[in-house]
Amino acid sequence: GENVEQHPSTLSVQEGDSAVIKCTYSDSASNYFPWYKQELGKRPQLIIDIRSNVGEKKDQRIAVTLNKTAKHFSLHITETQPEDSAVYFCAAGVGTGGFKTIFGAGTRLFVKA
Amino acid sequence: DAGVTQSPTHLIKTRGQQVTLRCSPKSGHDTVSWYQQALGQGPQFIFQYYEEEERQRGNFPDRFSGHQFPNYSSELNVNALLLGDSALYLCASSLAGLWNTEAFFGQGTRLTVV
Repeated sequence: GENVEQHPSTLSVQEGDSAVIKCTYSDSASNYFPWYKQELGKRPQLIIDIRSNVGEKKDQRIAVTLNKTAKHFSLHITETQPEDSAVYFCAAGVGTGGFKTIFGAGTRLFVKA
Repeated sequence: DAGVTQSPTHLIKTRGQQVTLRCSPKSGHDTVSWYQQALGQGPQFIFQYYEEEERQRGNFPDRFSGHQFPNYSSELNVNALLLGDSALYLCASSLAGLWNTEAFFGQGTRLTVV
């Protein structure tokens, strides 16, 4: 079945450093790759997404890259700030006329001031 | 503009009972997806409803069923509750289209089965 693996499970960085989270998906038909940030006790919120026809997308300090051949996609956060501390989930969406979104297990990011 | 709203916020049920959770999508959205999120885990896709029909389903048993109403709101029903059904149940709404689109999540319903 469909699967999304996410690494690392925990990531600790110093404020101002970069953070990288990597994901691998199994279903080659996946065509949509969102990233969500979930703070403690709150709902997941979309921070950036990328479609399968694009290799890279950037939004201020956040960027996502996609390698369809290797079925890898990554989240890059530059100039990290303490408020970036949260759990980040990658996901892969697949389907037409109805979509199934498979989430990774999450990465807990700690940004130390 | 109201976002995605879910009710109730918290719920405690006894093993073997049945439960119904409710979701109102974001204004303008017509598609609702349900997820189960166990503590410390990522959301697990249960199913997606569009035009009052189940369009996609994840690996969940038939004890999990749903419904979508003409106003796009949705219900998740779980029968014969097990202790392992204890989790945060999240609803997400989106706008149907050729491409998968951004999903907005509700705050979730915390279900505890005792």
